[in-house]
Amino acid sequence: QSALTQPRSVSGSPGQSVTISCTGTSSDVGAYNYVSWYQQHPGKAPKLMIYDVSKRPSGVPDRFSGSKSGNTASLTISGLQAEDEADYYCCSYAGSYTWLFGGGTKVTVL
Amino acid sequence: QLQLQESGPGLVKPSETLSLTCTVSGGSISSTNYYWDWIRQPPGKGLEWIGSLYYSRGTYYNPSLKSRVAISVDTSKNQISLKLRSVTAADTAVYYCAGEFLGVYATTYWGLGTLVTVSS
Repeated sequence: QSALTQPRSVSGSPGQSVTISCTGTSSDVGAYNYVSWYQQHPGKAPKLMIYDVSKRPSGVPDRFSGSKSGNTASLTISGLQAEDEADYYCCSYAGSYTWLFGGGTKVTVL
Repeated sequence: QLQLQESGPGLVKPSETLSLTCTVSGGSISSTNYYWDWIRQPPGKGLEWIGSLYYSRGTYYNPSLKSRVAISVDTSKNQISLKLRSVTAADTAVYYCAGEFLGVYATTYWGLGTLVTVSS
C-alpha cells in the first residue's frame, strides 16, 4: 500500500476557489466511494470535512465540496476565507478494513 | 458524543516498546456501535493509519506496521491501548486515537493527540 498522492500546496485569494486532488489506484479510491477529507490547523487534531466522497458533516460550511472521477478524488473550497488556511488530508478505504491517507496539501490564502 | 484522551510516556528508548492508552467517554468501548482507530503523524509530515479495532470483529493493522503493533481494549476502564514494539526514531510522532460509528467510513471523533519521541 502506498500513500495517496496530493499536491504539496495550493493557494488562492480570498473569495476564489481552490481544488485539491487526491490520486489513488483502482484498489482504493477507484474501488470504493469511501473517500474522506480532513482539515488540520497547526497543533490541532484533524477535523472531518467531507465523507463518502461528497457528504458534509453537520456544521461544515457548504463552501466545501467533494467529488470523485476514476482513481482521483477532489476537494473544492469555494469562496476561500482566511480561516480555511490549513493542511488538508484525503483518506480512502482500501478494503479488508484498511485505510490510506494522502500526504497532505497546504492551503494558503494569499 | 464521543470524547477521547490519549496518555502515556512522551519519551521511549530505541528498541523498546511504545505503550499508549486512550480513555473514552460518551460511549462504551465494548459497544458494537463503534470502531476505534490509532493514527499517527510524524513531526511536519502527514497522517498514517496504524490500525482499527472492532469489538465484535477483531483488529486490523497497517501492513507496514503489522509485525510490531497490537491494539487491545480494557472494558473495565473503557480504554483502548496501543503497543508498538522495537521502536526507532522513525516512530517519533503525534499519536491520535479516534472513534467512529460503525457503518461510517470516516473518522469524526479524535483525541487531542500525544507526542511520543523515540530517543536514547
